[in-house]
Amino acid sequence: NAGVTQTPKFQVLKTGQSMTLQCAQDMNHEYMSWYRQDPGMGLRLIHYSVGAGITDQGEVPNGYNVSRSTTEDFPLRLLSAAPSQTSVYFCASSRSWTGAQLTEAFFGQGTRLTVV
Amino acid sequence: TQLLEQSPQFLSIQEGENLTVYCNSSSVFSSLQWYRQEPGEGPVLLVTVVTGGEVKKLKRLTFQFGDARKDSSLHITAAQPGDTGLYLCAGGSNDYKLSFGAGTTVTVRA
Repeated sequence: NAGVTQTPKFQVLKTGQSMTLQCAQDMNHEYMSWYRQDPGMGLRLIHYSVGAGITDQGEVPNGYNVSRSTTEDFPLRLLSAAPSQTSVYFCASSRSWTGAQLTEAFFGQGTRLTVV
Repeated sequence: TQLLEQSPQFLSIQEGENLTVYCNSSSVFSSLQWYRQEPGEGPVLLVTVVTGGEVKKLKRLTFQFGDARKDSSLHITAAQPGDTGLYLCAGGSNDYKLSFGAGTTVTVRA
């Protein structure tokens, strides 16, 4: 069972470069999200999607774009990388958001990004 | 953004001791989840609590959701080195966003 697959696992970018972090899930989950994790700050929500074709902003969306053309894939694009975007990025998927309760979130193994 | 504060930030104990981690907010959450994360891995769900006053037990772990659904605690009895990790609480609400606390790093020494 693959679950949530993130690529790449490690990436070094120069300031101003752009790149796409890939995220794919094979569980037919409706809800997908992207978080960044920085020391002492927990996970902060960047963008999320409640289904194919629907995306919305989270807590820290600036500098990032997302799209959800299929149920399986939810790529995160960095438009012009900045040192402040150095972080560990996690993609997560959940079966659904039922009422006000999110079912279990399954996380990928993360992408460690360094912007120099 | 709904803020979740976890305490303590770090906890180091000897094997066999008990520990409690707290998660507090000024906001009401419809549900609260606890995750554990190991180095180099993504968080893994331990439990979800949805009812005020709810208590759930998972082997040596006991989770409690406050009556007002603003706070939660995680208690580990007779901690073992395998309990070492980063413990994160996360609150859900009506806006499709899951808010995480900063986490508590637990180290259990053999």
